[in-house]
Amino acid sequence: GEDVEQSLFLSVREGDSSVINCTYTDSSSTYLYWYKQEPGAGLQLLTYIFSNMDMKQDQRLTVLLNKKDKHLSLRIADTQTGDSAIYFCAVHYGGSQGNLIFGKGTKLSVKP
Amino acid sequence: DAGVIQSPRHEVTEMGQEVTLRCKPISGHDYLFWYRQTMMRGLELLIYFNNNVPIDDSGMPEDRFSAKMPNASFSTLKIQPSEPRDSAVYFCASSFAGRNEQYFGPGTRLTVT
Repeated sequence: GEDVEQSLFLSVREGDSSVINCTYTDSSSTYLYWYKQEPGAGLQLLTYIFSNMDMKQDQRLTVLLNKKDKHLSLRIADTQTGDSAIYFCAVHYGGSQGNLIFGKGTKLSVKP
Repeated sequence: DAGVIQSPRHEVTEMGQEVTLRCKPISGHDYLFWYRQTMMRGLELLIYFNNNVPIDDSGMPEDRFSAKMPNASFSTLKIQPSEPRDSAVYFCASSFAGRNEQYFGPGTRLTVT
């Protein structure tokens, strides 16, 4: 079946850029999402990109999509301590609304 | 908008007891999803509904788990009898047709002792 892979941990210094990576297996993806989960909270939708786009920028967030390599990344510029959280990549494979596959999440730690 | 509402936020119960988790989706959303999150298995889709009708329950782990959606603004996930391995955070999410992004509630942290 479809699979979405992420590295489990990333540590950066405050003010640096963070890049969180995600790979997926099925090329029939339609929408790809990034969610943020803070401790004790639900998943918050951060941004998304449609599969016919290469890049999307939203303030400090930049999403890059390489469909050939099935690789998605989220870049956070000027990372702040408040960005410390778990970031989930999710890929929608079209058809049913239920075809949204989540990665296991990358825990971002921001050191002051 | 109030967002997706879940109750209770925390539930501690003893093995063998019945547990009922509740969810109110965002008004106007016609899809509702139940997920379970654990350290070992990550986020798992248990079941989802469209217009109050269950569409796919293949993620429900066992017959001990059941879910209902009696109307567009309310859903329950019931575990009977509960077991310690059911301990997890259970999330409800909703979306509407034509937009695939799902909006999550704050979750219910279930501990079964």
